[in-house]
Amino acid sequence: AQSVTQLDSHVSVSEGTPVLLRCNYSSSYSPSLFWYVQHPNKGLQLLLKYTSAATLVKGINGFEAEFKKSETSFHLTKPSAHMSDAAEYFCVVSVFMDSNYQLIWGAGTKLIIKP
Amino acid sequence: DSGVTQTPKHLITATGQRVTLRCSPRSGDLSVYWYQQSLDQGLQFLIQYYNGEERAKGNILERFSAQQFPDLHSELNLSSLELGDSALYFCASSPDSQGDSNQPQHFGDGTRLSIL
Repeated sequence: AQSVTQLDSHVSVSEGTPVLLRCNYSSSYSPSLFWYVQHPNKGLQLLLKYTSAATLVKGINGFEAEFKKSETSFHLTKPSAHMSDAAEYFCVVSVFMDSNYQLIWGAGTKLIIKP
Repeated sequence: DSGVTQTPKHLITATGQRVTLRCSPRSGDLSVYWYQQSLDQGLQFLIQYYNGEERAKGNILERFSAQQFPDLHSELNLSSLELGDSALYFCASSPDSQGDSNQPQHFGDGTRLSIL
């Protein structure tokens, strides 16, 4: 069965330091993968998506993610955290189920930025 | 701005009541998805409609129903409301339901439902 595991429920970093949000997936075939961000009291916004073209994917706001098939991982990184990055981040895999593509959502990781 | 519009933004009602949440998808998008987000359950997929027809069902209660109209807007109806139904309800849309697995969903800002 397909699944997504976000390894940390909370990550706390200082402003200006690197960010690493971890995501592992389970899929029986080459998946499509996404990262979404949700700021407090806001809807979900697409950060980036993996399209099987390039393993390193660049997204908005300086975030990027690397698809590693051998490790079944799709970790999200940013070189330098900004206070505005404080939000909840969701890793998502697209699966083909019941003649339809559906999204399987991770439980989310809350990113806390310390001044 | 995602292009997905949800109304109302906030809704306060009492147990046992019925409410309707409305969603207008992005222009050109044929699929509409409904999600419930609560503190204890996280983000839960409820149901998907594609071009007026139900395509996929998730953890949707029998007290809840949805439909998509010819103009592609969608409504989520919640009845016999209970305290536990208090949550953020999100609508998302995407161009198509099949073919391109790389199509992301675009989300509205949600409707916050509070049951007193």
